[in-house]
Amino acid sequence: SQELEQSPQSLIVQEGKNLTINCTSSKTLYGLYWYKQKYGEGLIFLMMLQKGGEEKSHEKITAKLDEKKQQSSLHITASQPSHAGIYLCGAVGGNTPLVFGKGTRLSVIA
Amino acid sequence: ETGVTQTPRHLVMGMTNKKSLKCEQHLGHNAMYWYKQSAKKPLELMFVYSLEERVENNSVPSRFSPECPNSSHLFLHLHTLQPEDSALYLCASSQAWGGGRTGELFFGEGSRLTVL
Repeated sequence: SQELEQSPQSLIVQEGKNLTINCTSSKTLYGLYWYKQKYGEGLIFLMMLQKGGEEKSHEKITAKLDEKKQQSSLHITASQPSHAGIYLCGAVGGNTPLVFGKGTRLSVIA
Repeated sequence: ETGVTQTPRHLVMGMTNKKSLKCEQHLGHNAMYWYKQSAKKPLELMFVYSLEERVENNSVPSRFSPECPNSSHLFLHLHTLQPEDSALYLCASSQAWGGGRTGELFFGEGSRLTVL
């Protein structure tokens, strides 16, 4: 079965700093999703990547997909307290449903 | 507001109780899911329903019993649970299921379950 490894597991950054979260898959990626979760709440969809080399941005968050490396990265520029939360990557392969990584817990301090 | 509503948001039950979690989606989607989220573990898929038919059942103990009466509603019936079943239970829906057509999942806020 497909497994997703996220790194780092947790991250504390100062407000205004940039950061990157990585997601590596054990199998070929057919689609990679990024979600954000506030503690104890549901997941909010951020973006989906489907093609190798694809890059998408939403406000200060950019995600890239490296198909050959079976890896995706999520980059936040000039972090703000509103960026704090748990970031999860999810992948789908063929007929299998979304499987998720364990998540990266991000804290942004003033 | 994602269009997926879960009730109750919090539930405390004893091991001999019978309770149910409810999920409703207002998005016109054809697939619905139950996920379990425990501390320090990835989200675990429990059940998938597509067009009201169960298509996935990931070796979930029989003390969890799903029900999908129509494409907008999904229930998770709980009975004789164990303390290790305490977790956040998330419901999700998507436009379709399988064949690479699953697409984005829309999640509810979750039901926090505590089993005493």
